Amino acid sequence: AQSVTQPDIHITVSEGASLELRCNYSYGATPYLFWYVQSPGQGLQLLLKYFSGDTLVQGIKGFEAEFKRSQSSFNLRKPSVHWSDAAEYFCAVVDTGGGNKLTFGTGTQLKVEL
Amino acid sequence: DTAVSQTPKYLVTQMGNDKSIKCEQNLGHDTMYWYKQDSKKFLKIMFSYNNKELIINETVPNRFSPKSPDKAHLNLQINSLELGDSAVYFCASSIIGRGELFFGEGSRLTVL
Repeated sequence: AQSVTQPDIHITVSEGASLELRCNYSYGATPYLFWYVQSPGQGLQLLLKYFSGDTLVQGIKGFEAEFKRSQSSFNLRKPSVHWSDAAEYFCAVVDTGGGNKLTFGTGTQLKVEL
Repeated sequence: DTAVSQTPKYLVTQMGNDKSIKCEQNLGHDTMYWYKQDSKKFLKIMFSYNNKELIINETVPNRFSPKSPDKAHLNLQINSLELGDSAVYFCASSIIGRGELFFGEGSRLTVL
């Protein structure tokens, strides 16, 4: 069964600093990978996705992620964090052969210091 | 024009009661899901329907009953509510095989 690990429960960065959120996955075949963001009291919004092709994917709000098969990783990055980026971030992998089941990591809470 | 909408957004109820949450999507997707988010923000799939057929049924107490009258609607009936059912329930939809899920804003259930 597929699984996702987000090793950092909380991360605090200063506004304007760069950000990297870690994600490791376990999946037998080529994974479909996602990053979602959840602002307080809100639903989940898709930031970006990787299906195949270019391993560096661009998303909304200035985020990008790099797929590294050799490391089973799909880390999320942003060069300069804004205070409005404070939220919960979830990495996820989908099993397209298993009813499109999306399995989430435990999330990383990002705090931004002004 | 909300893509995936859930009602109600908040429910507060007593233990032992029965409640339902409704979900509708206007994206033309063929698959819908219910996810539960606990107090630690962990998201776990409960059910999924594809064209009104149940395709994912995780280990969930049978007090939880999903129903899909058509592919644009998915409801969740919860009977004999318990304290541990307090959570945020998210509805989502997708096109099967395409991976990407679109989520509603969630329904926060509080059982007292």
